[in-house]
Amino acid sequence: NAGVTQTPKFQVLKTGQSMTLQCAQDMNHNSMYWYRQDPGMGLRLIYYSASEGTTDKGEVPNGYNVSRLNKREFSLRLESAAPSQTSVYFCASSDRGRNEKLFFGSGTQLSVL
Amino acid sequence: LAKTTQPISMDSYEGQEVNITCSHNNIATNDYITWYQQFPSQGPRFIIQGYKTKVTNEVASLFIPADRKSSTLSLPRVSLSDTAVYYCLVGILSGTYKYIFGTGTRLKVLA
Repeated sequence: NAGVTQTPKFQVLKTGQSMTLQCAQDMNHNSMYWYRQDPGMGLRLIYYSASEGTTDKGEVPNGYNVSRLNKREFSLRLESAAPSQTSVYFCASSDRGRNEKLFFGSGTQLSVL
Repeated sequence: LAKTTQPISMDSYEGQEVNITCSHNNIATNDYITWYQQFPSQGPRFIIQGYKTKVTNEVASLFIPADRKSSTLSLPRVSLSDTAVYYCLVGILSGTYKYIFGTGTRLKVLA
């Protein structure tokens, strides 16, 4: 039982390049989330998906797009990467959202040069 | 959006009990308070969750007063391995339900 799996673990991009961060969970959870964490800071919510087929903006959605491909997978896309997007990105899932535990992946370390 | 408020950092010595208080003045009637622990280079992991009064598990205790506007995470007899960032989390219902993290409390346990 892998839980929440994120790929890749590390990525270096040049300014203006695009990429997609992948996240998959095998716990049959309904809700999925993308957070970013800058050095020494707390987690900030980028986008989330309360259920398959729905997505909503979080605190810091600008510069990102998401796709809830199916119940298992929730991807985060950077269309034109900027140095300000250098961060660690965490994907999380929960069963139904309210008062449910969040299960986190191990993170993707992204550097934009 | 309403967030939780916690002390930025705390230091403690091995073997001591550590209490971390979180303020959540706008907590909704139906919402629980959940605490997470995060080690460097890892995602946060669940520690404990409660609605009111006291909850205890093998790792920690959670104290919640009657007005539920705050909560206190208690870690008994901490060790060096408890050095981590601790987050208090309350969900926010704004359209759909979501979780906004606060700054967390950086606990450093000293030998």
